[in-house]
Amino acid sequence: DVKVTQSSRYLVKRTGEKVFLECVQDMDHENMFWYRQDPGLGLRLIYFSYDVKMKEKGDIPEGYSVSREKKERFSLILESASTNQTSMYLCATRALLYGYTFGSGTRLTVV
Amino acid sequence: AQSVTQLDSHVSVSEGTPVLLRCNYSSSYSPSLFWYVQHPNKGLQLLLKYTSAATLVKGINGFEAEFKKSETSFHLTKPSAHMSDAAEYFCVVSEGETGGFKTIFGAGTRLFVKA
Repeated sequence: DVKVTQSSRYLVKRTGEKVFLECVQDMDHENMFWYRQDPGLGLRLIYFSYDVKMKEKGDIPEGYSVSREKKERFSLILESASTNQTSMYLCATRALLYGYTFGSGTRLTVV
Repeated sequence: AQSVTQLDSHVSVSEGTPVLLRCNYSSSYSPSLFWYVQHPNKGLQLLLKYTSAATLVKGINGFEAEFKKSETSFHLTKPSAHMSDAAEYFCVVSEGETGGFKTIFGAGTRLFVKA
């Protein structure tokens, strides 16, 4: 089974801090994604990557950047955290038609 | 344009009674459709998927869904609810290669199961 591991389950950061959320997969999937999940809004795509060093903006990229230096690792970066970025962040890989595999999520609180 | 609508934000059932979670979609291409379940403080887990084979799809934990193209629906059902089914459920539509594999998640339906 594909495993997607997010390094932190819970994080509390201060406004203005630079925040790194790490995601590692143990299969050879090209496609990796970062979503944020907020009540009533479902999942919204922040960024995705379809290959090493390749990235594409999703629906809500503002305030975020990503890094994919190795195939198995996809990092989400909050350049200067703000309180409206308090959310659940979910990393996922996808094997085309066969759906996503999600990590357990990182619940980020910005104070 | 692609969209997914989960018709109920909350559904409450008694244990042992049937579950129906409704999902309508629109897609310009022949889509793949998925249902995911999320238990509290967990990631999403794939329940079942439709990828243009049989229209009645069976998933894990006794769930199934029927793809009805004429109604553009993909409702999730289970004959008898169990307490452990209490969770949030997401309907997902993903377009194929011609649609650039664009994927949209529904807003979610929270299922409550009463003893």
